[in-house]
Amino acid sequence: EPEVTQTPSHQVTQMGQEVILRCVPISNHLYFYWYRQILGQKVEFLVSFYNNEISEKSEIFDDQFSVERPDGSNFTLKIRSTKLEDSAMYFCASSGSGLAKNIQYFGAGTRLSVL
Amino acid sequence: KQEVTQIPAALSVPEGENLVLNCSFTDSAIYNLQWFRQDPGKGLTSLLLIQSSQREQTSGRLNASLDKSSGRSTLYIAASQPGDSATYLCAVPNRDDKIIFGKGTRLHILP
Repeated sequence: EPEVTQTPSHQVTQMGQEVILRCVPISNHLYFYWYRQILGQKVEFLVSFYNNEISEKSEIFDDQFSVERPDGSNFTLKIRSTKLEDSAMYFCASSGSGLAKNIQYFGAGTRLSVL
Repeated sequence: KQEVTQIPAALSVPEGENLVLNCSFTDSAIYNLQWFRQDPGKGLTSLLLIQSSQREQTSGRLNASLDKSSGRSTLYIAASQPGDSATYLCAVPNRDDKIIFGKGTRLHILP
């Protein structure tokens, strides 16, 4: 069964460093998303992406964050200068078009630890 | 604005018991509702997805029901096992397609 793949599974970085979290969505999907879960808290929406541009972003998604689809298969989340409070689990999701747009498939997540 | 609430926040039951986890949502105009399982420090495992036109879905010992008009869903787990211990999350897509998650019910099955 097709699945969303995220790498790495765990990323450790120093405060102030840039990180790139990578996702390979399901191949024929057109809509892409990033979510975040701080330890002990709800999974929360960060950003949605369609047709090579951001469709919607939450207030969390400030100028330190950016997303990109650099090629036909990858979807990345970049944090330009990480802060301690960016430590969280980051989930990528994708969905198809039409009625299938309403079903998002989630990756296993990347745990980001900012030291 | 869609809000998802899960009750109880935590639950401990002896092995073998049947149990029910509850989820409520404020905006009944949903396309579907999904139940996920999350083990500590791990990712999301999709358990069941109920379309808005459906009343329930079953997978093995799991049964999820949906009552859109009252804004409620339940996840029924039959004959619970220690391996069922995890956090169970309820999630619905918002009108603008973002998924809104509940905070989850932390389930502990006592051997």
